[in-house]
Amino acid sequence: NAGVTQTPKFRILKIGQSMTLQCTQDMNHNYMYWYRQDPGMGLKLIYYSVGAGITDKGEVPNGYNVSRSTTEDFPLRLELAAPSQTSVYFCASRTGTGSYGYTFGSGTRLTVV
Amino acid sequence: AQTVTQSQPEMSVQEAETVTLSCTYDTSESDYYLFWYKQPPSRQMILVIRQEAYKQQNATENRFSVNFQKAAKSFSLKISDSQLGDAAMYFCAYPGTASKLTFGTGTRLQVTL
Repeated sequence: NAGVTQTPKFRILKIGQSMTLQCTQDMNHNYMYWYRQDPGMGLKLIYYSVGAGITDKGEVPNGYNVSRSTTEDFPLRLELAAPSQTSVYFCASRTGTGSYGYTFGSGTRLTVV
Repeated sequence: AQTVTQSQPEMSVQEAETVTLSCTYDTSESDYYLFWYKQPPSRQMILVIRQEAYKQQNATENRFSVNFQKAAKSFSLKISDSQLGDAAMYFCAYPGTASKLTFGTGTRLQVTL
Protein backbone atom coordinates (compact mmCIF):
# COMPACT_ATOMS: atom_id res chain seq x y z
CA ASN A 1 0.00 0.00 0.00
CA ALA A 2 1.19 3.49 -0.82
CA GLY A 3 2.11 5.67 2.11
CA VAL A 4 4.79 6.54 4.62
CA THR A 5 6.54 3.62 6.30
CA GLN A 6 8.42 4.06 9.56
CA THR A 7 10.65 1.51 11.23
CA PRO A 8 10.98 0.43 13.95
CA LYS A 9 7.63 0.90 15.71
CA PHE A 10 9.14 0.63 19.17
CA ARG A 11 12.68 0.90 20.51
CA ILE A 12 14.39 1.14 23.87
CA LEU A 13 17.82 2.77 23.91
CA LYS A 14 20.34 3.19 26.66
CA ILE A 15 21.75 6.61 27.38
CA GLY A 16 24.61 7.35 25.01
CA GLN A 17 23.59 4.85 22.34
CA SER A 18 22.84 5.88 18.78
CA MET A 19 20.21 4.77 16.32
CA THR A 20 18.56 5.61 13.02
CA LEU A 21 14.81 5.89 12.56
CA GLN A 22 13.88 4.93 9.04
CA CYS A 23 11.25 6.67 6.92
CA THR A 24 10.30 5.73 3.37
CA GLN A 25 7.52 7.01 1.13
CA ASP A 26 6.51 5.67 -2.28
CA MET A 27 4.37 8.60 -3.44
CA ASN A 28 7.20 10.60 -5.02
CA HIS A 29 6.62 13.47 -2.58
CA ASN A 30 9.32 16.11 -2.50
CA TYR A 31 8.51 17.45 0.96
CA MET A 32 9.25 15.29 3.99
CA TYR A 33 9.24 16.04 7.70
CA TRP A 34 10.24 14.60 11.05
CA TYR A 35 8.20 15.49 14.13
CA ARG A 36 8.39 14.46 17.75
CA GLN A 37 5.45 14.27 20.11
CA ASP A 38 6.00 14.35 23.83
CA PRO A 39 3.26 12.95 26.12
CA GLY A 40 0.10 15.06 26.07
CA MET A 41 1.60 17.57 23.64
CA GLY A 42 1.37 18.52 20.01
CA LEU A 43 3.90 17.62 17.36
CA LYS A 44 7.08 19.65 17.06
CA LEU A 45 9.18 19.81 13.91
CA ILE A 46 12.71 18.39 14.14
CA TYR A 47 13.95 18.52 10.53
CA TYR A 48 12.46 18.81 7.11
CA SER A 49 13.43 18.38 3.47
CA VAL A 50 12.04 19.99 0.34
CA GLY A 51 13.76 17.55 -2.00
CA ALA A 52 16.62 15.11 -2.39
CA GLY A 53 19.86 16.61 -1.16
CA ILE A 54 18.14 19.47 0.71
CA THR A 55 17.48 19.43 4.44
CA ASP A 56 16.91 22.10 7.06
CA LYS A 57 16.37 22.43 10.79
CA GLY A 58 12.99 22.73 12.40
CA GLU A 59 12.02 23.88 15.86
CA VAL A 60 13.83 21.22 17.93
CA PRO A 61 16.86 19.90 15.94
CA ASN A 62 19.41 19.50 18.74
CA GLY A 63 20.61 15.92 19.15
CA TYR A 64 19.40 14.82 15.73
CA ASN A 65 20.67 14.63 12.17
CA VAL A 66 19.04 13.79 8.87
CA SER A 67 19.98 13.04 5.30
CA ARG A 68 18.00 12.91 2.07
CA SER A 69 19.96 11.11 -0.60
CA THR A 70 16.85 9.92 -2.47
CA THR A 71 13.29 11.21 -2.86
CA GLU A 72 11.94 8.12 -1.09
CA ASP A 73 14.06 7.98 2.09
CA PHE A 74 14.46 10.43 4.94
CA PRO A 75 16.24 8.77 7.89
CA LEU A 76 16.58 10.47 11.28
CA ARG A 77 19.76 9.84 13.22
CA LEU A 78 19.99 10.11 17.01
CA GLU A 79 23.51 10.44 18.34
CA LEU A 80 24.29 9.96 22.03
CA ALA A 81 20.72 9.31 23.11
CA ALA A 82 19.47 11.20 26.17
CA PRO A 83 16.33 10.69 28.31
CA SER A 84 14.96 13.98 26.91
CA GLN A 85 14.68 12.24 23.54
CA THR A 86 12.08 9.82 24.88
CA SER A 87 9.15 10.58 22.62
CA VAL A 88 7.03 9.39 19.74
CA TYR A 89 8.51 10.25 16.36
CA PHE A 90 6.44 10.81 13.23
CA CYS A 91 7.59 11.07 9.67
CA ALA A 92 5.33 12.81 7.16
CA SER A 93 5.32 13.75 3.52
CA ARG A 94 3.34 16.34 1.63
CA THR A 95 1.40 16.10 -1.54
CA GLY A 96 2.59 18.71 -4.01
CA THR A 97 -0.12 18.46 -6.60
CA GLY A 98 -3.85 18.10 -6.57
CA SER A 99 -5.43 18.04 -3.15
CA TYR A 100 -3.15 19.69 -0.60
CA GLY A 101 -2.45 17.33 2.28
CA TYR A 102 -0.02 15.32 4.31
CA THR A 103 0.57 11.62 4.82
CA PHE A 104 1.87 10.53 8.21
CA GLY A 105 3.68 7.38 9.18
CA SER A 106 2.40 5.33 12.10
CA GLY A 107 5.10 6.60 14.44
CA THR A 108 8.04 5.22 16.38
CA ARG A 109 7.85 5.10 20.17
CA LEU A 110 11.37 5.61 21.53
CA THR A 111 12.33 5.25 25.17
CA VAL A 112 15.80 6.23 26.40
CA VAL A 113 16.76 4.70 29.76
CA ALA B 1 6.92 32.44 13.61
CA GLN B 2 3.45 31.05 13.22
CA THR B 3 1.60 30.03 16.35
CA VAL B 4 -1.43 27.84 16.81
CA THR B 5 -3.35 27.96 20.07
CA GLN B 6 -5.85 25.47 21.40
CA SER B 7 -7.14 26.77 24.71
CA GLN B 8 -9.18 23.73 25.73
CA PRO B 9 -6.95 20.91 27.03
CA GLU B 10 -9.97 18.65 27.57
CA MET B 11 -13.58 18.60 26.49
CA SER B 12 -16.39 16.21 27.21
CA VAL B 13 -19.57 15.56 25.22
CA GLN B 14 -22.44 13.16 25.56
CA GLU B 15 -23.10 10.72 22.80
CA ALA B 16 -25.33 12.20 20.06
CA GLU B 17 -24.67 15.76 21.26
CA THR B 18 -22.64 18.50 19.57
CA VAL B 19 -19.28 19.83 20.68
CA THR B 20 -17.05 22.64 19.41
CA LEU B 21 -13.28 22.66 19.71
CA SER B 22 -11.52 26.01 19.49
CA CYS B 23 -8.37 27.01 17.64
CA THR B 24 -6.74 30.36 16.94
CA TYR B 25 -3.66 30.98 14.84
CA ASP B 26 -1.35 33.73 13.82
CA THR B 27 -0.18 34.43 10.30
CA SER B 28 0.54 37.34 8.00
CA GLU B 29 -0.34 35.35 4.89
CA SER B 30 -3.57 35.91 3.00
CA ASP B 31 -3.90 32.54 1.30
CA TYR B 32 -3.28 29.37 3.27
CA TYR B 33 -4.75 26.12 4.50
CA LEU B 34 -5.82 25.01 7.94
CA PHE B 35 -6.24 21.46 9.18
CA TRP B 36 -7.85 19.50 11.99
CA TYR B 37 -6.28 16.15 12.80
CA LYS B 38 -7.61 13.38 15.01
CA GLN B 39 -5.23 11.17 16.98
CA PRO B 40 -6.86 8.12 18.58
CA PRO B 41 -5.01 5.92 21.09
CA SER B 42 -3.44 4.08 18.15
CA ARG B 43 -1.53 7.41 17.70
CA GLN B 44 -2.18 7.47 13.97
CA MET B 45 -2.65 11.05 12.66
CA ILE B 46 -5.96 11.16 10.78
CA LEU B 47 -7.05 14.16 8.74
CA VAL B 48 -10.51 15.27 9.85
CA ILE B 49 -11.07 18.35 7.76
CA ARG B 50 -9.23 20.96 5.69
CA GLN B 51 -10.09 24.59 5.03
CA GLU B 52 -8.71 26.84 2.30
CA ALA B 53 -8.47 30.42 3.51
CA TYR B 54 -9.56 32.00 0.23
CA LYS B 55 -12.83 30.10 0.31
CA GLN B 56 -15.63 31.91 2.07
CA GLN B 57 -17.62 28.74 2.64
CA ASN B 58 -16.86 26.72 5.76
CA ALA B 59 -15.63 23.19 5.08
CA THR B 60 -17.87 20.25 5.96
CA GLU B 61 -17.15 16.52 6.09
CA ASN B 62 -20.16 14.50 7.18
CA ARG B 63 -20.60 15.18 10.93
CA PHE B 64 -17.56 17.49 11.06
CA SER B 65 -17.66 21.14 10.12
CA VAL B 66 -15.60 24.22 10.79
CA ASN B 67 -16.35 27.80 11.70
CA PHE B 68 -13.60 29.72 9.92
CA GLN B 69 -13.32 33.39 10.86
CA LYS B 70 -10.42 34.72 8.81
CA ALA B 71 -10.34 38.21 10.26
CA ALA B 72 -10.34 36.86 13.79
CA LYS B 73 -7.89 34.09 12.84
CA SER B 74 -10.19 31.53 14.41
CA PHE B 75 -10.77 27.99 13.17
CA SER B 76 -13.10 25.96 15.35
CA LEU B 77 -14.22 22.37 14.75
CA LYS B 78 -17.81 21.33 15.34
CA ILE B 79 -18.63 17.66 15.79
CA SER B 80 -22.32 16.86 15.48
CA ASP B 81 -24.08 13.69 16.66
CA SER B 82 -20.97 12.69 18.62
CA GLN B 83 -20.08 9.02 18.66
CA LEU B 84 -17.93 6.96 21.00
CA GLY B 85 -15.41 6.58 18.20
CA ASP B 86 -14.87 10.34 18.17
CA ALA B 87 -13.00 10.12 21.48
CA ALA B 88 -9.42 11.14 20.72
CA MET B 89 -6.91 13.97 20.77
CA TYR B 90 -7.68 16.67 18.22
CA PHE B 91 -5.00 18.93 16.82
CA CYS B 92 -5.36 22.11 14.85
CA ALA B 93 -2.50 22.72 12.40
CA TYR B 94 -1.28 25.48 10.11
CA PRO B 95 1.27 24.97 7.30
CA GLY B 96 3.78 27.80 7.15
CA THR B 97 6.84 28.29 4.98
CA ALA B 98 8.00 25.13 3.18
CA SER B 99 4.63 23.71 4.23
CA LYS B 100 5.98 23.05 7.70
CA LEU B 101 3.01 22.20 9.89
CA THR B 102 2.70 24.00 13.20
CA PHE B 103 0.42 22.15 15.61
CA GLY B 104 -1.55 23.32 18.57
CA THR B 105 -1.16 21.53 21.89
CA GLY B 106 -4.31 19.53 21.33
CA THR B 107 -7.72 18.99 22.91
CA ARG B 108 -8.58 15.64 24.44
CA LEU B 109 -12.21 14.83 23.66
CA GLN B 110 -14.12 12.41 25.85
CA VAL B 111 -17.44 11.02 24.71
CA THR B 112 -19.77 9.76 27.42
CA LEU B 113 -22.90 7.64 27.25
